[in-house]
Amino acid sequence: EIQMTQSPSTLSASVGDRVTITCRASASIGPWLAWYQQKPGKAPKLLIFKASSLQSGVPSRFSGSGSGTEFTLTISSLQPDDFATYYCQQYNTYWRFGQGTKVEIK
Amino acid sequence: QVRVVQSGAEVKKPGSSVKVSCKASGGTFRNYAVSWVRQAPGQGLEWIGGIIPLLGTANSAEEFHGRLTITADESTTTVYMELSSLSSKDTAVYYCARGVRGEGPLYYLDLWGQGTLVTVSS
Repeated sequence: EIQMTQSPSTLSASVGDRVTITCRASASIGPWLAWYQQKPGKAPKLLIFKASSLQSGVPSRFSGSGSGTEFTLTISSLQPDDFATYYCQQYNTYWRFGQGTKVEIK
Repeated sequence: QVRVVQSGAEVKKPGSSVKVSCKASGGTFRNYAVSWVRQAPGQGLEWIGGIIPLLGTANSAEEFHGRLTITADESTTTVYMELSSLSSKDTAVYYCARGVRGEGPLYYLDLWGQGTLVTVSS
């Protein structure tokens, strides 16, 4: 069973900051990783699939990279709408989410 | 434009079952998979099971084997998730999400329902 570990659990940042979230898999998952954004009381929203492919309609300030066991989600310039919780999810062997990273206002 | 619409909130007694529906409004799930993901209060996301409606094949996370049933109607418009032997630990928001196969071995989730709160309480 593949485990997904995100870091940090919480991140404090300001508007305009460059933000990076890391997701590590306990075994290789190739490029089969997605990133989701969730705001309080709302359903998750797909941002990135196949590690680095931007979902249609998602702003280009979001980007993903990585393969195998280590992945990153980067927000190039944090906007007020980006304060939320972010989850990675592997879809190589069944589906498993990371524990989430909350991006809060500094 | 397709939307995923779920049935409304439920309150259930311990030991009972709940059945939640998930409808593709404005389309069907014919060329997709559907996953169910739950989120307990203040917690993260947990995949519990899924189905490929066109084939009718379903699977579930090991911890739900024997008490989770996922089905789809013949039109592939609506998917159902039934969870039995409920306990307070099953209190959560249950989401259904459309799965896109893409190039990988499995699928990622591109379109989510609004969520259904299931409360288990005596």
